[in-house]
Amino acid sequence: QKEVEQDPGPLSVPEGAIVSLNCTYSNSAFQYFMWYRQYSRKGPELLMYTYSSGNKEDGRFTAQVDKSSKYISLFIRDSQPSDSATYLCAMSFSGNTPLVFGKGTRLSVIA
Amino acid sequence: ETGVTQSPTHLIKTRGQQVTLRCSSQSGHNTVSWYQQALGQGPQFIFQYYREEENGRGNFPPRFSGLQFPNYSSELNVNALELDDSALYLCASSSGQGNSYNSPLHFGNGTRLTVT
Repeated sequence: QKEVEQDPGPLSVPEGAIVSLNCTYSNSAFQYFMWYRQYSRKGPELLMYTYSSGNKEDGRFTAQVDKSSKYISLFIRDSQPSDSATYLCAMSFSGNTPLVFGKGTRLSVIA
Repeated sequence: ETGVTQSPTHLIKTRGQQVTLRCSSQSGHNTVSWYQQALGQGPQFIFQYYREEENGRGNFPPRFSGLQFPNYSSELNVNALELDDSALYLCASSSGQGNSYNSPLHFGNGTRLTVT
């Protein structure tokens, strides 16, 4: 079992839809959770950074962490064609330890 | 704009050769990390440098080595290239000691290495 599992998709939704992206993980010692967006031929761009359990909202994006279930989610409201990208979840044990990434989910938002 | 630039953007090498990839971080970014991203996979941690000292290494063989310089630039060197080394190599930097909430890692756009 990989440390971080993420459905690679592809996921295709119409413009304006609510998108739900998820990751599960096996090691309960992970404390820091991140979501990155990666456009084709670009590096990952940090979208959300959360610590421990709870929700965090930033504009159209909401990140949720459920440590009891070892499950994290990213919700995108009012999705736009410009949101079409690969979304990577990442996590670490502390602020000084390496990131462990999921495989990424490829999202297409159709106009 | 993250301020992390990598060169070259693309590179083709032959199995057995050696390669050097370069990264330039923002001024004041003391931490630089290197990740390998194979096609269709998430990035995998290679190693990290903090103030020119290696302070963490992933599950990569010794033929992967690095350097960090005082001018906030760094290098990733790979010897005896293998076909499986074909990947996108990402450099990331932060102003803190790692990837904290207040000083998270920011990634460059990577170098695409193809080994034939």
